[in-house]
Amino acid sequence: EAQVTQNPRYLITVTGKKLTVTCSQNMNHEYMSWYRQDPGLGLRQIYYSMNVEVTDKGDVPEGYKVSRKEKRNFPLILESPSPNQTSLYFCASSLFNEQFFGPGTRLTVL
Amino acid sequence: KQEVTQIPAALSVPEGENLVLNCSFTDSAIYNLQWFRQDPGKGLTSLLLIQSSQREQTSGRLNASLDKSSGRSTLYIAASQPGDSATYLCAVYRPGGSEKLVFGKGTKLTVNP
Repeated sequence: EAQVTQNPRYLITVTGKKLTVTCSQNMNHEYMSWYRQDPGLGLRQIYYSMNVEVTDKGDVPEGYKVSRKEKRNFPLILESPSPNQTSLYFCASSLFNEQFFGPGTRLTVL
Repeated sequence: KQEVTQIPAALSVPEGENLVLNCSFTDSAIYNLQWFRQDPGKGLTSLLLIQSSQREQTSGRLNASLDKSSGRSTLYIAASQPGDSATYLCAVYRPGGSEKLVFGKGTKLTVNP
């Protein structure tokens, strides 16, 4: 089944404790991206990647890092999480301008 | 800067009614437009993708239209059902080779039995 998977689905952590949210797709898509969704602000793009080893900032990249060492994986790294990064995070992939989204990761930073 | 607006923010209708959800965008130079559905606490499900050269797309009871010159798209839902209750999001692709999406904030639809 073609899909985008994210892990973990739910995470509660404390300020400053490094964490990684994994994202994997099995559709051989070149393009992948990360979004965060907040009440009243909607979905905003954090980072995107056009291909292996090619990444670029989206609209809200501060406090996040990404890497793209393999085509299928695009992890999101929070080196020092803060409470304002509490949000619902989505990973997406696409091939021809039609994006497919993962199920989301709900992150709470205390 | 591209901005996407969806009106109304919430809509409640009785079962069986035909309805229209609206999406407007400020920069008509878009690449594609995509409609999504999001159930509470869940991910986004793609409903319809309208390419820049197209004016509409249909899937079952759903029909989406695109008028780039006026900066508008509509999602028509025929014979609504309680299972259609969800938040509907419109997103436009910015041109220039990037696949960066700009989302509206969505319309929360409730279909009452």
